[in-house]
Amino acid sequence: KAGVTQTPRYLIKTRGQQVTLSCSPISGHRSVSWYQQTPGQGLQFLFEYFSETQRNKGNFPGRFSGRQFSNSRSEMNVSTLELGDSALYLCASSLISGAGGQETQYFGPGTRLLVL
Amino acid sequence: AQKITQTQPGMFVQEKEAVTLDCTYDTSDQSYGLFWYKQPSSGEMIFLIYQGSYDEQNATEGRYSLNFQKARKSANLVISASQLGDSAMYFCAMRMKGDKIIFGKGTRLHILP
Repeated sequence: KAGVTQTPRYLIKTRGQQVTLSCSPISGHRSVSWYQQTPGQGLQFLFEYFSETQRNKGNFPGRFSGRQFSNSRSEMNVSTLELGDSALYLCASSLISGAGGQETQYFGPGTRLLVL
Repeated sequence: AQKITQTQPGMFVQEKEAVTLDCTYDTSDQSYGLFWYKQPSSGEMIFLIYQGSYDEQNATEGRYSLNFQKARKSANLVISASQLGDSAMYFCAMRMKGDKIIFGKGTRLHILP
């Protein structure tokens, strides 16, 4: 079974631009979560989608948005990029969302975004 | 406030020795899950082990075991017989009620030959 895939793997943008990152979960997984990882802030939760609905959202400005399609693939969009948005963006999928905390998330390789 | 604390920013361990990575957590939830992930320099997060708050026995997965002490809110990862390939960043994480997951700051483990 193929793992979580993320595209692109690397991206360079300039301030003010927007970017869209894509995540394809493990086949059959319906929950997709996004995380931002930076050296200073560590791993921070962005949002989680389950069956095309956003279930949870972290403390990020409205410039960060996402969506999930009927095939469970998810996209994350960042508008008006700032230098501080440079980070590794990780996507994780799980079979179901919650289930008493017993569900394990499987991560993709991440997209490294550099904002110049 | 709910949080995960990993007090060891970095550790150096001789190959073949056992290593314990510390993790304490804070939550008022009764139902939660605790995870450990390994992140090599490539960046991918690799799931290692899971412990549910209601699990009475400590979780084990091969060379990994989780020393779960619920009263102390501690979930230390123990790696037996460490190998050079174990050198990586290790994150402790907690899935809370409402499904949000929070991560600790991580511990960078260096295995010395």
